[in-house]
Amino acid sequence: GAVVSQHPSWVICKSGTSVKIECRSLDFQATTMFWYRQFPKQSLMLMATSNEGSKATYEQGVEKDKFLINHASLTLSTLTVTSAHPEDSSFYICSARALLAGRKSSYNEQFFGPGTRLTVL
Amino acid sequence: DAKTTQPPSMDCAEGRAANLPCNHSTISGNEYVYWYRQIHSQGPQYIIHGLKNNETNEMASLIITEDRKSSTLILPHATLRDTAVYYCIVRPTNTGNQFYFGTGTSLTVIP
Repeated sequence: GAVVSQHPSWVICKSGTSVKIECRSLDFQATTMFWYRQFPKQSLMLMATSNEGSKATYEQGVEKDKFLINHASLTLSTLTVTSAHPEDSSFYICSARALLAGRKSSYNEQFFGPGTRLTVL
Repeated sequence: DAKTTQPPSMDCAEGRAANLPCNHSTISGNEYVYWYRQIHSQGPQYIIHGLKNNETNEMASLIITEDRKSSTLILPHATLRDTAVYYCIVRPTNTGNQFYFGTGTSLTVIP
């Protein structure tokens, strides 16, 4: 099946620093990737949709200048948390859309990465 | 915004079938029903999806009511490794494929 990786798997940083998280589709090309955030004991919240070669589309309430997304290639999207603060501590998860061959027809599917645990001190 | 309602938690005895319900009463004709699960501190894992007909794969079965307003995910023989949060998601076929997760059901499989 389609595999999505994230790096790093966890990171601890000081308040005010910036952190970059990478999301890679390992065995397929993904024109669209998605970034989610998940706080403890809560569900996943979609942050933004990342399209290769164009600007990301952010969900309402997500600061685009704070969460910089770059989708420079068909296999890599990056999320940079700028000037991180303790309230940004969370589990960040990406997903990538793949075109698969189904039983009846091809269909688009999302595959999720393992997540990145960010702790801001 | 999530368009589904699920019970917050359920228990199931190991080896028995786990039946997880989902209400999606406002579902539109072009929206699929997807099921994902998330084991603690991992990314969500795809289980199954369907539009109108019931579906079955190696992991589970999906039963969708005739009016499509609700569905049930069935894990035929639950194991301890099936303990996870299960998310039911409805998603249009003609959009950017965004998923909006609801609160999910925390399934605990009991030995």
